[in-house]
Amino acid sequence: ETGVTQSPTHLIKTRGQQVTLRCSSQSGHNTVSWYQQALGQGPQFIFQYYREEENGRGNFPPRFSGLQFPNYSSELNVNALELDDSALYLCASSGGGRTDTQYFGPGTRLTVL
Amino acid sequence: DQQVKQNSPSLSVQEGRISILNCDHTNSMFDYFLWYKKYPAEGPTFLISISSIKDKNEDGRFTVFLNKSAKHLSLHIVPSQPGDSAVYFCAASGYQGGSEKLVFGKGTKLTVNP
Repeated sequence: ETGVTQSPTHLIKTRGQQVTLRCSSQSGHNTVSWYQQALGQGPQFIFQYYREEENGRGNFPPRFSGLQFPNYSSELNVNALELDDSALYLCASSGGGRTDTQYFGPGTRLTVL
Repeated sequence: DQQVKQNSPSLSVQEGRISILNCDHTNSMFDYFLWYKKYPAEGPTFLISISSIKDKNEDGRFTVFLNKSAKHLSLHIVPSQPGDSAVYFCAASGYQGGSEKLVFGKGTKLTVNP
């Protein structure tokens, strides 16, 4: 059983650019959630995808968008990058049930200069 | 507005002693609570959870206590081991706006000294 993987590991962008982060779910999981973890903070919920549909969104602007593919892998896209977008971006997959554990990937460290 | 609060940024204990990590929340809609452990350069790892209909859940050395009326939960680790040194996040879950999401605290860095 493969775990949750994310790519790339690290990324450096400049303000105003666009970025795409990728996540492969754990085998058998149909739900993916994305989180932003700023330095010294806990993970903050961005949005969740269930069977290719957005299924809940946190307090993030529309320039944060996502996709989930038929194999349940997922992308997080961020447009018009701002300095405050510098953070660790985590994805977590789960089976979708109410109490199903969310399994996290190692994250992508994004630095915006 | 921090809905899940971990007021102790760090905690240091001796190996073999008890570690107690605390968490408070402010939202009555939360009905499921979880603890995650995070090592550097890794994603958070699920430790233990508790539903709001229970006041205690135990798994080996880890026990979570929930005081529903006080909106307070705590994680007890007995006995503490050096390998337990990590950042511990408390998270709360509840349906909001028709969907469910996890809300995390800022974390407590636990150091277990040999």
